Amino acid sequence: GAVVSQHPSWVICKSGTSVKIECRSLDFQATTMFWYRQFPKKSLMLMATSNEGSKATYEQGVEKDKFLINHASLTLSTLTVTSAHPEDSSFYICSAPTHTSYEQYFGPGTRLTVT
Amino acid sequence: KQEVTQIPAALSVPEGENLVLNCSFTDSAIYNLQWFRQDPGKGLTSLLLIQSSQREQTSGRLNASLDKSSGRSTLYIAASQPGDSATYLCAVHNAGNMLTFGGGTRLMVKP
Repeated sequence: GAVVSQHPSWVICKSGTSVKIECRSLDFQATTMFWYRQFPKKSLMLMATSNEGSKATYEQGVEKDKFLINHASLTLSTLTVTSAHPEDSSFYICSAPTHTSYEQYFGPGTRLTVT
Repeated sequence: KQEVTQIPAALSVPEGENLVLNCSFTDSAIYNLQWFRQDPGKGLTSLLLIQSSQREQTSGRLNASLDKSSGRSTLYIAASQPGDSATYLCAVHNAGNMLTFGGGTRLMVKP
């Protein structure tokens, strides 16, 4: 199946700093990628849809100035958590569908801890 | 708004049992339904994808069925093994390739 990578796999940062998370489709092009957030023992919550070459579409209740998304190429989307606070600590996962399959392929996730 | 529910939320069984995990959704106008496995602290691994025109898909000891009209899907795991212990998530594909996830079923298979 298709491969999606995320970097870093985990990160610890101090309150007030910004953190960038990368999501890459390694063997296919993705005009659309999705960013999810997952709290411990909870399911995935869609945060935003990342669109190559245009603005991301955010779900209701997700602050777009807080969670900056950039989809600069067909294989890379980035999520930047700006001015991070402890409540932003979570597991962030991205996914991408291929053009040839209906399946969505997920990255391994990034564990963010804000101290 | 699509809502997806999974029952049970948690399940603990002895090795060798056959299992049924349930998933229901409120809006039957779905494109596809996908079952995933998630190990603690890890990403999602796709298990099975059922297209809206299909009724079931099989892979090894896994069989997933889909009844769109009643808004239900089941994941059947035959002869469970300790290695099957994980959280199982079902997700429905809506317009725009967006997924709506259920809350998951945490499965523990005891040796």
